[in-house]
Amino acid sequence: SQTIHQWPATLVQPVGSPLSLECTVEGTSNPNLYWYRQAAGRGLQLLFYSVGIGQISSEVPQNLSASRPQDRQFILSSKKLLLSDSGFYLCAWSTVAINTGELFFGEGSRLTVL
Amino acid sequence: TQLLEQSPQFLSIQEGENLTVYCNSSSVFSSLQWYRQEPGEGPVLLVTVVTGGEVKKLKRLTFQFGDARKDSSLHITAAQPGDTGLYLCAGRLGAGANNLFFGTGTRLTVIP
Repeated sequence: SQTIHQWPATLVQPVGSPLSLECTVEGTSNPNLYWYRQAAGRGLQLLFYSVGIGQISSEVPQNLSASRPQDRQFILSSKKLLLSDSGFYLCAWSTVAINTGELFFGEGSRLTVL
Repeated sequence: TQLLEQSPQFLSIQEGENLTVYCNSSSVFSSLQWYRQEPGEGPVLLVTVVTGGEVKKLKRLTFQFGDARKDSSLHITAAQPGDTGLYLCAGRLGAGANNLFFGTGTRLTVIP
């Protein structure tokens, strides 16, 4: 069966510090991978998605970047965090083979920038 | 602008009551998904509807896709405290990795 894990679960960082959130998927090959941000228990904002190794698409201009060094690994990074980067970050995967493209989410990472 | 609007935004009801959550858009979707999210966790897929007018039931939850595939509803019968959470609809605008759009969310609280 497929599983997805992201870490760390909770992170408190000072403004200006770097960020690295990691996400890995097991049990599937060549998934589409996604990073979302969720503000205060509301809807999800798509930040980045990837359809393959090294292929990253950004949906919104921001202080963040993403990388996919391996097929089932997706990393969200920042060189210098801003207060506005605080939020709940969710990694997700979907399979290309299914037209309906349901998403399977990780446990989430709560980032607080002070 | 938000592609999918959910209503109500917040809902607090007593255990045993019925409720309906709405997901509306002016766009036509190839499919629509409903997720439930509990605090501090990622959303979990409940159901996918594909055909206009389709109705799916998941125990006490009934999902309906509008005839024109522009809207959907989620009806819960005899709500229980375990139904508490954030309900998110998400519509897919055809094929493509970035063509899934999430609604604004409905936060449901079921009071014992």
